[in-house]
Amino acid sequence: AQSVTQLDSQVPVFEEAPVELRCNYSSSVSVYLFWYVQYPNQGLQLLLKYLSGSTLVKGINGFEAEFNKSQTSFHLRKPSVHISDTAEYFCAVTPTGNQFYFGTGTSLTVIP
Amino acid sequence: EAGVAQSPRYKIIEKRQSVAFWCNPISGHATLYWYQQILGQGPKLLIQFQNNGVVDDSQLPKDRFSAERLKGVDSTLKIQPAKLEDSAVYLCASSLARGIGEQFFGPGTRLTVL
Repeated sequence: AQSVTQLDSQVPVFEEAPVELRCNYSSSVSVYLFWYVQYPNQGLQLLLKYLSGSTLVKGINGFEAEFNKSQTSFHLRKPSVHISDTAEYFCAVTPTGNQFYFGTGTSLTVIP
Repeated sequence: EAGVAQSPRYKIIEKRQSVAFWCNPISGHATLYWYQQILGQGPKLLIQFQNNGVVDDSQLPKDRFSAERLKGVDSTLKIQPAKLEDSAVYLCASSLARGIGEQFFGPGTRLTVL
């Protein structure tokens, strides 16, 4: 069985500061990893995904994530956040591409 | 390209009533998903269609939930009868095919059961 843990339910950060949103997963098989963002009253939007290859993945809006197999982590980072990055962020894994398992989400609030 | 459309956006019903949600996926997307997102939790897959066939409905409470995608395009999700714990946002997503491609999500339907 797969599970995803997002330890930080809320992350406040000042504008232009760096941020890291943590994601850890457990799985008995290899998985594919995703980060989605959800702006208020909108659906989820894909930020980035790791399928194979380089463990450092770059996504939209200046976000990147690093896959660490030994630590079963896929943390999301941005070197300098903007007000517009305020949203809910979800980490997700799938072993096959059919059944996606989402974390409980991290609410990022960027403070002016 | 138009995104995934869902209606209604909001619905308030009393327990034991019935409710239906509609989803129109992105044109050409063969795979359609329904998720339930309870407040404070991540989305949970309820059912996945490939064209008009069900691929996975292992987490669908079949005693009260049903879904169909008759012509392989639009889909409806029904709850009958609703319970208080069904209060959630119901998200529809679509993708070009099965596998690890990107899922495109609609804005969701927020259901409140009183």
